[in-house]
Amino acid sequence: QKEVEQNSGPLSVPEGAIASLNCTYSDRVSQSFFWYRQYSGKSPELIMSIYSNGDKEDGRFTAQLNKASQYVSLLIRDSQPSDSATYLCAVLSGNTGKLIFGQGTTLQVKP
Amino acid sequence: SAVISQKPSRDICQRGTSLTIQCQVDSQVTMMFWYRQQPGQSLTLIATANQGSEATYESGFVIDKFPISRPNLTFSTLTVSNMSPEDSSIYLCSVVQGGSYNEQFFGPGTRLTVL
Repeated sequence: QKEVEQNSGPLSVPEGAIASLNCTYSDRVSQSFFWYRQYSGKSPELIMSIYSNGDKEDGRFTAQLNKASQYVSLLIRDSQPSDSATYLCAVLSGNTGKLIFGQGTTLQVKP
Repeated sequence: SAVISQKPSRDICQRGTSLTIQCQVDSQVTMMFWYRQQPGQSLTLIATANQGSEATYESGFVIDKFPISRPNLTFSTLTVSNMSPEDSSIYLCSVVQGGSYNEQFFGPGTRLTVL
């Protein structure tokens, strides 16, 4: 079992729809969770961080965390073609203090 | 967040040679890391660059192949030694600025092609 798992996609949504990206993790003591966006040929960009159970909203982005289920998600409302990218889920390992990345989910927003 | 630059942005090298990649930050940071991203893959941590002491390497990465320096709180280098085509990757430095949130920010990356 991988430490951080994501569906590689591609996830295809029409413009204006809600895109839902999911991530599960295996380390029960993890306390910090991050979503990065990576455009093709570019480096990862931190877009959301979440540390407590529940929802955290920032503009069109909402991160959701459920530590009991070891599940973190990212919702993108009113998806735009410019949101088309790979989204990387990252979990700070509770044991090592290092960031563990999932394989990433490719999102395609079609006009 | 800190502004991070990397040099070179890309390079094409011959096998058997070495390349040193520089990472410069515009402010002091508590932690610096080096990652590798192979084509179509996610990020793999190579090592933690420790200021004033030897880097801490992850399993599968060794100092002889990837020597790292961090002489101060704003600068680090990663050398890819005795390169082979399998070393063709994007190499990224990242930083944690401090505080308790452990947010990591990435430099623009160095795209390395080994022929």
